[in-house]
Amino acid sequence: KQEVTQIPAALSVPEGENLVLNCSFTDSAIYNLQWFRQDPGKGLTSLLLIQSSQREQTSGRLNASLDKSSGRSTLYIAASQPGDSATYLCAVNTGTASKLTFGTGTRLQVTL
Amino acid sequence: DTEVTQTPKHLVMGMTNKKSLKCEQHMGHRAMYWYKQKAKKPPELMFVYSYEKLSINESVPSRFSPECPNSSLLNLHLHALQPEDSALYLCASSQDQEERWYEQYFGPGTRLTVT
Repeated sequence: KQEVTQIPAALSVPEGENLVLNCSFTDSAIYNLQWFRQDPGKGLTSLLLIQSSQREQTSGRLNASLDKSSGRSTLYIAASQPGDSATYLCAVNTGTASKLTFGTGTRLQVTL
Repeated sequence: DTEVTQTPKHLVMGMTNKKSLKCEQHMGHRAMYWYKQKAKKPPELMFVYSYEKLSINESVPSRFSPECPNSSLLNLHLHALQPEDSALYLCASSQDQEERWYEQYFGPGTRLTVT
């Protein structure tokens, strides 16, 4: 059974800092991995999708990497801003028909 | 347009009520999903529809009844719910279910409270 872990569970950084969020998964036979952002009480916003054949994806200040063989992905956020404050979830697509297995999330707070 | 819409945003219902949640997308996606998210927990898959047919039911109690009237619309009918069913219900869609490399897009969710 696929298990997805995110470390740290919570993170507080001052504005302008570069930061890395970690995601690890136990079954490396994945089709893709998605990073999402969730604001309190809101839905999920898709940030990046990495296919199993890719090593990284970039969108603006965000860069996600994937090392499938070691079961790890990282989300790098450059020059953090208070508006980046949210919970970040990674999810892997494994096996049965597009079923996403989510990590427990990292709650990020960027302070002024 | 990568928007999935959900109505209502908030719903309070008693344990004897019958209500429905609605989800809509106009991206031409053929796979639609219902997820349940409890506070401070990640989303958990409930149902998957592919080409308007139910393809996955994650052993969800029968008091939750999904329906996909057409390729753009997904409903979740609720009846005789329990207080522990209170949660954020999220709808998602993707271009296809069988082609597993497609991105899933989520709606804003319906916050359900069962009293």
